[in-house]
Amino acid sequence: GAGVSQTPSNKVTEKGKYVELRCDPISGHTALYWYRQSLGQGPEFLIYFQGTGAADDSGLPNDRFFAVRPEGSVSTLKIQRTERGDSAVYLCASSPGRGAYGYTFGSGTRLTVV
Amino acid sequence: AQTVTQSQPEMSVQEAETVTLSCTYDTSESDYYLFWYKQPPSRQMILVIRQEAYKQQNATENRFSVNFQKAAKSFSLKISDSQLGDAAMYFCAYVERSEKLVFGKGTKLTVNP
Repeated sequence: GAGVSQTPSNKVTEKGKYVELRCDPISGHTALYWYRQSLGQGPEFLIYFQGTGAADDSGLPNDRFFAVRPEGSVSTLKIQRTERGDSAVYLCASSPGRGAYGYTFGSGTRLTVV
Repeated sequence: AQTVTQSQPEMSVQEAETVTLSCTYDTSESDYYLFWYKQPPSRQMILVIRQEAYKQQNATENRFSVNFQKAAKSFSLKISDSQLGDAAMYFCAYVERSEKLVFGKGTKLTVNP
């Protein structure tokens, strides 16, 4: 596609539920990144994929968070047993190779846990 | 750990005037990249300007330019001829070979007509 697409745009869920957030990167972009942006803060790194594999998942806060990219294109961020502290905007970005040459971000998913 | 500091939570400028947003960073690396991103209410991070650390020449993109002071680890953004559409959150960001973008907390820019 022309840009990075993230769905849903907004998600409200109850505490304890499971959610999936989807990212559809620019076609051909091998690198894909997930960031979390809490209110009033800059985005914080969660995980980085190069192709199908997670090259760096050091930013995932705990084992309730998991992400996959099975075919090297679309990625899904999965959050189990959601907590109110998980409420944030989850941003996805992709790049054609090394990120320093250009990241394209999506518009994010605003997750609200009530 | 690398950090990025934006010391101005909010800034305002009159339309057609010039404004400078500040950013400092901390790193022990010599090869890295610096960015300024704009985030309007639509939430999408839009790249404004990019600077390679090994280049001494300051990057420019139309009305946007940077003052990159490598020794001082400073990377400020100058917006000339400010327009109403420039109003947004601006984030300074850094990346080196780890591929992890590190962002500052942002500066909210208001443009007054």
